[in-house]
Amino acid sequence: EAQVTQNPRYLITVTGKKLTVTCSQNMNHEYMSWYRQDPGLGLRQIYYSMNVEVTDKGDVPEGYKVSRKEKRNFPLILESPSPNQTSLYFCASSRTGHEQYFGPGTRLTVT
Amino acid sequence: AQSVTQPDIHITVSEGASLELRCNYSYGATPYLFWYVQSPGQGLQLLLKYFSGDTLVQGIKGFEAEFKRSQSSFNLRKPSVHWSDAAEYFCAVGAATGGYNKLIFGAGTRLAVHP
Repeated sequence: EAQVTQNPRYLITVTGKKLTVTCSQNMNHEYMSWYRQDPGLGLRQIYYSMNVEVTDKGDVPEGYKVSRKEKRNFPLILESPSPNQTSLYFCASSRTGHEQYFGPGTRLTVT
Repeated sequence: AQSVTQPDIHITVSEGASLELRCNYSYGATPYLFWYVQSPGQGLQLLLKYFSGDTLVQGIKGFEAEFKRSQSSFNLRKPSVHWSDAAEYFCAVGAATGGYNKLIFGAGTRLAVHP
């Protein structure tokens, strides 16, 4: 089954404790991205990767890092999480960057 | 600047009634347009898409949308709503920016369905 998987699905952590949210896709897509979803704001892109050689900032990259060492995986790293990063996070993959397929989401709470 | 506006934050309809969710976009070139649905606790599922050609597009779950260039709109419709349609709906435009493609989302419309 073609899918995008994310782990963990739920995470509660404390300010400053580094965390990683994993993302993996099995559709051989070149393009992957991370979004955060906040009430009233829709989805905003954090980082994207056009392929394993190209990774760049999206609209809200502050406080986040990503890594694309292989095509199928695109982890999101929060080096020092803060409460304003409490949000619902989605990973997505795409062949072109337009029609995107989304993972189930990770709900992160930072206290 | 590219943007997507969904004027209705919340909509409530009765089961069996018709539905129209509004979406307006701002984009200089011919847009690629999408509607996604997010059921409670779920990820986003693509309902339908418009790239070119026939301006009335059919999607899954009985939804359709009409692209109107003159109004910069891409409204989502369903003739008879089912209780299982209760969800949040996002309109998005596919934009080419700085050499790469991206999706720009509206803020979403939350649909409630009364029995």
